[in-house]
Amino acid sequence: RKEVEQDPGPFNVPEGATVAFNCTYSNSASQSFFWYRQDCRKEPKLLMSVYSSGNEDGRFTAQLNRASQYISLLIRDSKLSDSATYLCAHWGGYGQNFVFGPGTRLSVLP
Amino acid sequence: DTAVSQTPKYLVTQMGNDKSIKCEQNLGHDTMYWYKQDSKKFLKIMFSYNNKELIINETVPNRFSPKSPDKAHLNLHINSLELGDSAVYFCASSPDQETQYFGPGTRLLVL
Repeated sequence: RKEVEQDPGPFNVPEGATVAFNCTYSNSASQSFFWYRQDCRKEPKLLMSVYSSGNEDGRFTAQLNRASQYISLLIRDSKLSDSATYLCAHWGGYGQNFVFGPGTRLSVLP
Repeated sequence: DTAVSQTPKYLVTQMGNDKSIKCEQNLGHDTMYWYKQDSKKFLKIMFSYNNKELIINETVPNRFSPKSPDKAHLNLHINSLELGDSAVYFCASSPDQETQYFGPGTRLLVL
């Protein structure tokens, strides 16, 4: 099993739709979890950290399920500008690797 | 006021050449990284330095040699370039080894 796996893309959704991405990880000792956004030919940028209690930032909601070893990202009322690749990532602690998933591409269509 | 900068932005070179990519961060972070993103978009860590000391060295050919002259700089030298080295190389820095701030990337094409 790969360290981090994500839903295969691309996801093509109309504006205003709600879309959810899942990401599974194999390292049960991982401490921290994140969603990054990467626009075409640009660098990844942190979208949000993911906490066990779940966290929300505007239209974005992230959840962590440690028992099942997956994290999720929900985007509500999607905008054209949400079109990007979404990378999940986890960190194993000091001196450990930061591991990214392969990414899921989202295209929001007018 | 660029936070993490890399040079060059594009690098086209012949197989067998030696090239270097430079990275600088003005965020005052202690930890810096090199990542490789291949044609399938998989972003994989190569090296990590904390206060100029190597802390992570993934399975990378020894043709790749990082060098950190000070904690604001982490350069990557590549010897005897191969076709498979073609990728986008991202430098990143972190204040806490957790949150990653990426540079704009260097697109390397080996012909």
